[in-house]
Parts: sequence; C-alpha cells; structure tokens
Amino acid sequence: GAVVSQHPSRVICKSGTSVKIECRSLDFQATTMFWYRQFPKKSLMLMATSNEGSKATYEQGVEKDKFLINHASLTLSTLTVTSAHPEDSSFYICSARDEERDTDTQYFGPGTRLTVL
Amino acid sequence: QKEVEQNSGPLSVPEGAIASLNCTYSDRGSQSFFWYRQYSGKSPELIMFIYSNGDKEDGRFTAQLNKASQYVSLLIRDSQPSDSATYLCAVKRTDKLIFGTGTRLQVFP
Repeated sequence: GAVVSQHPSRVICKSGTSVKIECRSLDFQATTMFWYRQFPKKSLMLMATSNEGSKATYEQGVEKDKFLINHASLTLSTLTVTSAHPEDSSFYICSARDEERDTDTQYFGPGTRLTVL
Repeated sequence: QKEVEQNSGPLSVPEGAIASLNCTYSDRGSQSFFWYRQYSGKSPELIMFIYSNGDKEDGRFTAQLNKASQYVSLLIRDSQPSDSATYLCAVKRTDKLIFGTGTRLQVFP
C-alpha cells in the first residue's frame, strides 16, 4: 500500500514554456500532498504543501505564480512550472500522506527530472 | 544551527559490518522522526519511523531515539553492497518534514 506515482518521469523543454507534473496516490486518498525540489547532491527542499480543495501553502522564497499547484481531487495534485528557465532544471518529487493509516509518514513518488534548455 | 544535521560522509563500511548513521535535531519539541533511503537518481523511500525514546527494530535496521540528547540514529546490521545509498533523516515540524542533508553510505565487498 501507500503507492505514489508521478508523470512524467523525465521531461525536456525549451526555455519559456510551461511544464505540468502530475502526482497521484494510487491506493489511498490524500488530503495533503507535498512538492519538493532537489538539486544534484543537495537535500530535499520543500516547495509547497498542496491541500485538496484549497490553495497551496508555499514555502518562503518559492514563487507561487511560477509554480502553480492544483489539488483538484483526493488522489491528484499537479505542479505546473510556468515560463521555465534553465535554473528551474531540477528533480521534482511529490509525496503524500495516507492519513487513514498514519498522519505523519510521507510516501514519495518516483520523481520527475526536468531539464530546461 | 540547522534544524536537522547529519554528517555528509561518505561512511565506508565492509560488507557484513554494522553501519551507524547519526542525526541531531534542534527543536526539542519534535515528536516524530523518520529515516529514508535514497539511491542515486531516485526518490526517497521510507525505511523506518520512530516516535518513542529507545530502540525500534525492523529486520536488519534499528532506529534509536534519545529525545533528551536530541539524537536519532539508524543502525544497519550485516551491511550489504545494496545498502550503499544516501540516508536521509527527517523530523516532523508542524505539518512538514524537515530533512537533513543526508549521509552517503558505501558498503564495500
């Protein structure tokens, strides 16, 4: 149980375009999902907390107009990187909590590697 | 002072040995602690969580928590080359997990 998927696993795009990344909880419902970014050889940095049916909560320094988050259902959250630039190239990982089982543990998706040319 | 601190390593141990990974945290009110393993190029996968002082064992893994010293550790017994990865310590703060920078473990045959 507690399986989280992400799509796509890898994406290459041109500078200035937008990229949408999907995060799905496959066998549980997730009121809350989290979006992280990880640069090479660095730790996970939380970008935002995605809440089903309400606005996402962004961490300090993360531009909410650039990183659009939508959590339209209990199994799907999306992150859209708008007007992507090469410095947005990173490994984006989502996580979700199975709150019926445990309100603390986060289960991670496999990640999406974004390369902006 | 970082909220969650780990030695970046690498920690090199021979196959079959015990690997000891350490983590300290700054918020004395923290209640929930997690160990994740991350292989290169992959996302983190949960190994264990621990909430109470003392030891918690799961197979070859033992998590140890000492809230008075604000210290949590992970022991890996009978280390295998497949255990070579980065181990991330995480502490729950309000609704979020705060991650350390991770310790790279290398198990050599």
